[in-house]
Amino acid sequence: AQTVTQSQPEMSVQEAETVTLSCTYDTSENNYYLFWYKQPPSRQMILVIRQEAYKQQNATENRFSVNFQKAAKSFSLKISDSQLGDTAMYFCAFMKGSGNTGKLIFGQGTTLQVKP
Amino acid sequence: NAGVMQNPRHLVRRRGQEARLRCSPMKGHSHVYWYRQLPEEGLKFMVYLQKENIIDESGMPKERFSAEFPKEGPSILRIQQVVRGDSAAYFCASSPTGVGEQFFGPGTRLTVL
Repeated sequence: AQTVTQSQPEMSVQEAETVTLSCTYDTSENNYYLFWYKQPPSRQMILVIRQEAYKQQNATENRFSVNFQKAAKSFSLKISDSQLGDTAMYFCAFMKGSGNTGKLIFGQGTTLQVKP
Repeated sequence: NAGVMQNPRHLVRRRGQEARLRCSPMKGHSHVYWYRQLPEEGLKFMVYLQKENIIDESGMPKERFSAEFPKEGPSILRIQQVVRGDSAAYFCASSPTGVGEQFFGPGTRLTVL
């Protein structure tokens, strides 16, 4: 069975600085997807970034980038130039790439507070 | 293009009553997923449906919970004889295929008194 672990329950960062959120996962699959979702106080789940396991290049989306280490089964999220609107809970998630099951397996979440 | 719609947004039930949660996927999406989020926890997968078929219900409690996605109309998550432990936020997500990005609705917050 796949598991996703986020070892940082809470983090804080000063506005405009950079912060990295950690995520590790366990799987025997070779084909899979990894995601970071953001859940602000509104509780809406918003996709931040995705990574296909077969791609060696780390995904980037504006101020958000990942450090995907497949051998180490690590998938950290870096937020550059942090903004107050980045304050939210962040979830790392895993999805198998085959087998006709599209379920997401989420980590426990990291609460990020961006301070002015 | 409207996003995933869920209603009601808030639902209050007394113990023993039934709760019906509705989810309308994005246009063109035939894959629907339900997740439950307990307070201060991550989302837990419950069930995956594709028009009229249950593909994976490995996360559904064995009793009192059922889900459907009829040919016409929204997907329904039904909880019979609710108990206080069912209080949670229930999220629906949809996708155009069975893999890749899922688009989430705003959730239904169920409170059982």
